Amino acid sequence: KNEVEQSPQNLTAQEGEFITINCSYSVGISALHWLQQHPGGGIVSLFMLSSGKKKHGRLIATINIQEKHSSLHITASHPRDSAVYICAVPHNTDKLIFGTGTRLQVFP
Amino acid sequence: EPEVTQTPSHQVTQMGQEVILRCVPISNHLYFYWYRQILGQKVEFLVSFYNNEISEKSEIFDDQFSVERPDGSNFTLKIRSTKLEDSAMYFCASRQGTGGGQETQYFGPGTRLLVL
Repeated sequence: KNEVEQSPQNLTAQEGEFITINCSYSVGISALHWLQQHPGGGIVSLFMLSSGKKKHGRLIATINIQEKHSSLHITASHPRDSAVYICAVPHNTDKLIFGTGTRLQVFP
Repeated sequence: EPEVTQTPSHQVTQMGQEVILRCVPISNHLYFYWYRQILGQKVEFLVSFYNNEISEKSEIFDDQFSVERPDGSNFTLKIRSTKLEDSAMYFCASRQGTGGGQETQYFGPGTRLLVL
């Protein structure tokens, strides 16, 4: 069983739509990371959260530690949001275990 | 804003050749990592490094792999005798060292390695 599961694997949306990406994990964690991988391959850290909710611009991340579940929301989606969104959790010491990613395409 | 840099951005090599991938972590960071991503697959942990020694390594990180921090700024990953299955994007990451798992890791842009 994968330690980090994401859904959906692929997501298409029209510009302006509200997007939700889900992440479930099976290990005990101190924090969860949401990352964005650009089409060229580069990885950018979006959020790190250990409880509740964090907001940055149009991005909102929530986590429920008891249910081992996190969601990433994008409000008013835009074509430039098209990327792969990855959930990752620290394991054992602090190496990150990555989900398989959600490929998001936003069309104008 | 400080960033992690990696060179080269792309490398093509013949099977059996040695390659060295280079990374310059953010200057005041103490913990360093190599991850890799085979095309179409998820990112996988290779090795973590702290205080000039390996903290943890994955099953992938066999005797063909080694890491080094030769001069206090560079952090290198060496693959001694490349195999076709080493073809992947290799990411270096670093973190400051104050927050453990509750600390952001900063990723470099990656080196795309192709073994022919």
